[in-house]
Amino acid sequence: ETGVTQTPRHLVMGMTNKKSLKCEQHLGHNAMYWYKQSAKKPLELMFVYNFKEQTENNSVPSRFSPECPNSSHLFLHLHTLQPEDSALYLCASSQETDTQYFGPGTRLTVL
Amino acid sequence: DQQVKQNSPSLSVQEGRISILNCDYTNSMFDYFLWYKKYPAEGPTFLISISSIKDKNEDGRFTVFLNKSAKHLSLHIVPSQPGDSAVYFCASRSSGTYKYIFGTGTRLKVLA
Repeated sequence: ETGVTQTPRHLVMGMTNKKSLKCEQHLGHNAMYWYKQSAKKPLELMFVYNFKEQTENNSVPSRFSPECPNSSHLFLHLHTLQPEDSALYLCASSQETDTQYFGPGTRLTVL
Repeated sequence: DQQVKQNSPSLSVQEGRISILNCDYTNSMFDYFLWYKKYPAEGPTFLISISSIKDKNEDGRFTVFLNKSAKHLSLHIVPSQPGDSAVYFCASRSSGTYKYIFGTGTRLKVLA
């Protein structure tokens, strides 16, 4: 499945680093999402973009900063993260509010 | 408050038998439901969906049943195959919203 791609697949960063996660969708969808999956917890929606406009920010700390330059690309900029931010970060896309299709995720470890 | 619950964290089934995964929800405004399968180190893969105007949807070996009065849905896999071993998530949303609420998942193990 190459409809939604994410890079990098794995990332290790220190608490003072700045890094970015990238997501690209090739499905022609108009909505894109960032989710966080921590161990033994449900997927948590972080951000939603519809036609490049942010429509949902689920009370996410400002150390996570999303960017959506167009309907096909989505970034998550990370800075001064905490060890508890270590998780699997998943990107998804959908056409309007229909079924969401996920990328493979980025496994993030914050030291 | 968890609006979507999968109360069984794990399930083991013999190959060839039926697997039944359950999901309960509390929000009566939910009108669209999805099931996803997830292998380790991969993102969730969409399996099957159902809208609230139906009570059953079939796709090959996978059938989803929706009981609106009980706020309960189930995924039936028959016959189960070892390749079906994965974590299964249900997800629900209200009409017109982008926000899906996910359950915590059920780990299915199909024994050969």
